Amino acid sequence: AQSVSQHNHHVILSEAASLELGCNYSYGGTVNLFWYVQYPGQHLQLLLKYFSGDPLVKGIKGFEAEFIKSKFSFNLRKPSVQWSDTAEYFCAVSPYSSASKIIFGSGTRLSIRP
Amino acid sequence: SQTIHQWPATLVQPVGSPLSLECTVEGTSNPNLYWYRQAAGRGLQLLFYSVGIGQISSEVPQNLSASRPQDRQFILSSKKLLLSDSGFYLCAWSVPGGKETQYFGPGTRLLVL
Repeated sequence: AQSVSQHNHHVILSEAASLELGCNYSYGGTVNLFWYVQYPGQHLQLLLKYFSGDPLVKGIKGFEAEFIKSKFSFNLRKPSVQWSDTAEYFCAVSPYSSASKIIFGSGTRLSIRP
Repeated sequence: SQTIHQWPATLVQPVGSPLSLECTVEGTSNPNLYWYRQAAGRGLQLLFYSVGIGQISSEVPQNLSASRPQDRQFILSSKKLLLSDSGFYLCAWSVPGGKETQYFGPGTRLLVL
């Protein structure tokens, strides 16, 4: 069965530090990849997505993610975090053959110290 | 523009009581609809999804069921709630077509006592 692993459950950083959140998935075929973010008290919302083409994807608020097919990974990065990036981040995968079904990881809580 | 509504926002129910959570989407036609449960530290668990009226796919065997009586209405139900049904339930929709971004509702927090 398909699965998504986010190994970091809680990450604590200081402002201006660089961020990388890991995401690995298990599925042998073509996939669509997503990162969602849930800010405190807000709806879950899309941060960025990869469907095809350039494996380095740019999202909102300076975030980017790189799809490395050989590693089944889609790690999220930001060169310099801000206090407002405090949120929970979810990686998600949908098999291209069954795009209606999206599997989410368990999430990574990011806390930024001002 | 499209909007998604869920109600109620919060619900406290005794064990063994029935459940009905409603989700409606406005501003789009024939969306894919989803129910998720978000448990602390366990991320989002896909419970049901629907690609059309009356078409429900269940992802996890459990005490819950889903129905889609109308194109933009998705209902999560239970005949008898268990303590383990407590959690945060999220409804989401997407535009069908193979490259689907999901749009989430505000959620319903359910506490079963």
